[in-house]
Amino acid sequence: NAGVTQTPKFQVLKTGQSMTLQCAQDMNHEYMSWYRQDPGMGLRLIHYSVGAGITDQGEVPNGYNVSRSTTEDFPLRLLSAAPSQTSVYFCASSYSRNTEAFFGQGTRLTVV
Amino acid sequence: GIQVEQSPPDLILQEGANSTLRCNFSDSVNNLQWFHQNPWGQLINLFYIPSGTKQNGRLSATTVATERYSLLYISSSQTTDSGVYFCAVRGSTLGRLYFGRGTQLTVWP
Repeated sequence: NAGVTQTPKFQVLKTGQSMTLQCAQDMNHEYMSWYRQDPGMGLRLIHYSVGAGITDQGEVPNGYNVSRSTTEDFPLRLLSAAPSQTSVYFCASSYSRNTEAFFGQGTRLTVV
Repeated sequence: GIQVEQSPPDLILQEGANSTLRCNFSDSVNNLQWFHQNPWGQLINLFYIPSGTKQNGRLSATTVATERYSLLYISSSQTTDSGVYFCAVRGSTLGRLYFGRGTQLTVWP
C-alpha cells in the first residue's frame, strides 16, 4: 500500500512548455484533489474530482487542466507554463469528501 | 469560503518545553485535520479530529466544533518537532480543504 504517489519530485520548465504532473493512489479513494503551496501561504485548491469522470475547479484553476479516467489516477496538466506557476504541488486523496485526506510527497516545479 | 486562522505564526522553543497551537475557523465544518510539514516538505497527518480530544504520544488535539476552534498540544518538544503545523478544515458542501497559513515551530537543542 503506497498511499498517494506523485511524480516527478522536481521539475524545471521553460516558459511556454507543457507538462503533466502525475498522481496515483492505491487506496480506492473516490475524492482526489490538487493543491499548490506558495511561500508564506497555506495550500490552495486547484482542481478536484469526486470520482472517475467527474472534475471541477477549485480556488486557483487558471492555467491547469485535469481529467479523471480511472479511480486511481488524477493527472494535472500545465498547457503553457508561466513563471507564476512556480510552486510546490500536492495531490491529495480521501475515501469521500468528508473523510481524512492523505497527501503525496509533493512536486517542486520551477518555471524559468 | 471558510476562513482559517492559526496562531501564533511563529514559535521558538527550547527542547523539553510544551506548546499550544491554535486554529480558529469561521464556519461549521465536517472535518478538521492537523498536519506537520517537515523540513523536507512532506505533509504528515497528525490528527483527524472533527470534534473531541485525541492523543498520540506527546501530541494531543482538541476540537470544540460549536465554538469553532481547535488546539494542538505538543509536550516535551524535540528538535524533530520543528517544521510548519497546518490546520485544515472541510466545509459541508464541496468537501474541499481550507488551510490556515500555518505555525512555524523551531525547537532548539
